[in-house]
Amino acid sequence: DSGVTQTPKHLITATGQRVTLRCSPRSGDLSVYWYQQSLDQGLQFLIQYYNGEERAKGNILERFSAQQFPDLHSELNLSSLELGDSALYFCASSVALAGAFEQFFGPGTRLTVL
Amino acid sequence: AQSVTQLDSQVPVFEEAPVELRCNYSSSVSVYLFWYVQYPNQGLQLLLKYLSGSTLVKGINGFEAEFNKSQTSFHLRKPSVHISDTAEYFCAVSSIKAAGNKLTFGGGTRVLVKP
Repeated sequence: DSGVTQTPKHLITATGQRVTLRCSPRSGDLSVYWYQQSLDQGLQFLIQYYNGEERAKGNILERFSAQQFPDLHSELNLSSLELGDSALYFCASSVALAGAFEQFFGPGTRLTVL
Repeated sequence: AQSVTQLDSQVPVFEEAPVELRCNYSSSVSVYLFWYVQYPNQGLQLLLKYLSGSTLVKGINGFEAEFNKSQTSFHLRKPSVHISDTAEYFCAVSSIKAAGNKLTFGGGTRVLVKP
């Protein structure tokens, strides 16, 4: 158990819909990261928040957005869903903004878009 | 920008045999190097990391990796595998000087340990 929790574990929805994925970081970790794992794209970094502020952005679609709340939990919002958005979405957390600090990964949310 | 190439997508290996997983990276800046493992239906777990200093890095579960700057490689090895090592292994890099700490992953190597 990494100490990072993600809900829900599974999500099945239809094209065009909007979903919210939730992540609670390890106690004391200020950085939260979102990654997408799909068969065709592999593991890709989406976005990083540190203490409530966006600090790094990857290949995140405009239909996707995220935020980190004062209690440090984070949500990833996916809208106008397409079949290609079906993937495993991981949240990770680390204690610092940068450097080689370990990122601890949650178990993931498996999103299926039908 | 960085990129990571894992040269083998699948590696079958017999129990108690050695295994080597190959990783090459490309980057215009200095990077930290990592190996993560993903067991079935689980998140990723850090095996080891290279920051600086000795090029041979020891990690958890008997794994080790060697950093080779001239060949831009960071190969992972284990002298004797167990059935429980069946998993997918990911090599990753992050920029030393980046403002954030994003990981760039390779495509993964699936290791299947056979009895």
